[in-house]
Amino acid sequence: QVQLVQSGAEVKKPGASVKVSCTASGYTFTNYYIHWVRQAPGQGLEWMGIINPSGGSSHSAQNFQGRVTMTRDTSTSTVYMEVTSLRSEDTAVYYCARVPPDCSGGNCYSTNPDYWGQGTLVTVSS
Amino acid sequence: DIQMTQSPSSLSASVGDRVTITCRASQGIRNDLAWYQQKPGKAPKRLIYAASSLQSGVPSRFSGSGSGTEFTLTISSLQPEDFATYYCLQHNSYPLTFGGGTKVEIK
Repeated sequence: QVQLVQSGAEVKKPGASVKVSCTASGYTFTNYYIHWVRQAPGQGLEWMGIINPSGGSSHSAQNFQGRVTMTRDTSTSTVYMEVTSLRSEDTAVYYCARVPPDCSGGNCYSTNPDYWGQGTLVTVSS
Repeated sequence: DIQMTQSPSSLSASVGDRVTITCRASQGIRNDLAWYQQKPGKAPKRLIYAASSLQSGVPSRFSGSGSGTEFTLTISSLQPEDFATYYCLQHNSYPLTFGGGTKVEIK
């Protein structure tokens, strides 16, 4: 069965960096995109970015450009997201999610998440 | 960025009620929309994709409709396990954007 298992909770000080991992199993890792979504306490869902595990290309939301780096390791079917220069507003649960491609038009495009990781709580506090 | 306006932000309903949640996109997104259910402390769960396709394993009391800028999630007969927060998500263009959420509470 499809599973996305994320790394454990983190507590960081302002200005530090955090790297969250997401290990996939139960499907062909390079055939699906991975998106990252975060949720601040009591708030809604915020899309952060996408990585294509096949070639490693990524794209992040403008709010996070320059602070978020997404990478992957195909040998372990793991995607990583690093957030730098953390501030208190980055306190949130971070989710990875598998996203099927739509290749019906010849080119392939990302669609919407079908399976999600369990979430990783990142707390930024001095 | 495409704005997704979801309404209502919360509602109170009884078991057996018919519930309708709406999402309006700030520009046309074809049918590039999904609906998610989230319970406290849990990851979102996809209910509907491509605006009206039911995710495998999701009860048939959930349905989605719409295209372009107006979308609806309907729960035909609310069950105790349906009390949760619901979100729409557009994937027509980057950045992907979620609606603000609808919290469905017990009346």
